[in-house]
Amino acid sequence: DAKTTQPPSMDCAEGRAANLPCNHSTISGNEYVYWYRQIHSQGPQYIIHGLKNNETNEMASLIITEDRKSSTLILPHATLRDTAVYYCIITYFGNEKLTFGTGTRLTIIP
Amino acid sequence: GAVVSQHPSWVICKSGTSVKIECRSLDFQATTMFWYRQFPKQSLMLMATSNEGSKATYEQGVEKDKFLINHASLTLSTLTVTSAHPEDSSFYICSAMIASTSTDTQYFGPGTRLTVL
Repeated sequence: DAKTTQPPSMDCAEGRAANLPCNHSTISGNEYVYWYRQIHSQGPQYIIHGLKNNETNEMASLIITEDRKSSTLILPHATLRDTAVYYCIITYFGNEKLTFGTGTRLTIIP
Repeated sequence: GAVVSQHPSWVICKSGTSVKIECRSLDFQATTMFWYRQFPKQSLMLMATSNEGSKATYEQGVEKDKFLINHASLTLSTLTVTSAHPEDSSFYICSAMIASTSTDTQYFGPGTRLTVL
């Protein structure tokens, strides 16, 4: 699986859009970008995933660059409950294993 | 939908005893379940993968005789930490996967915090 690089921490004001970047320059053509988050002392929560097209669901939007070497997770209107560690994971569809890196610790500031 | 539960949510035990943790998919059948371990201020590390009715596949460095996994049905997997020691104290998290043609997503349980005295 391709490795990912994420900033260790970010702050975002409550109510603003939180944009979390992820670099995955070694991604291969059939690897997907998955995003999970982990709120303190809880299990990870699935957010969104995509292959090459931008994706949106009720939680977030995922923007993948045309060369697929990076992506951005967007939380459109961050709330205090969005404070968590966000993990960007690259894996093949059908590959059962998820390799969690160190993620980005996002803190939403009132 | 896609809810995974774990029981217990926390447990304290004496060194040398065994502890069983249950993982259930409540509203779906899971083809595969996974067990992770997370030490304080570290990321999740996959311990093993289990499929219903077959033996679990353990990651390198995980002792299969110490961490017994039983996957009895499509909705239940158990992890037994045998002869637990203080270094086994950790946050244990399971996940269950719904496999389909359109998505291949793991859903995680809330975790079980094990403290071995």
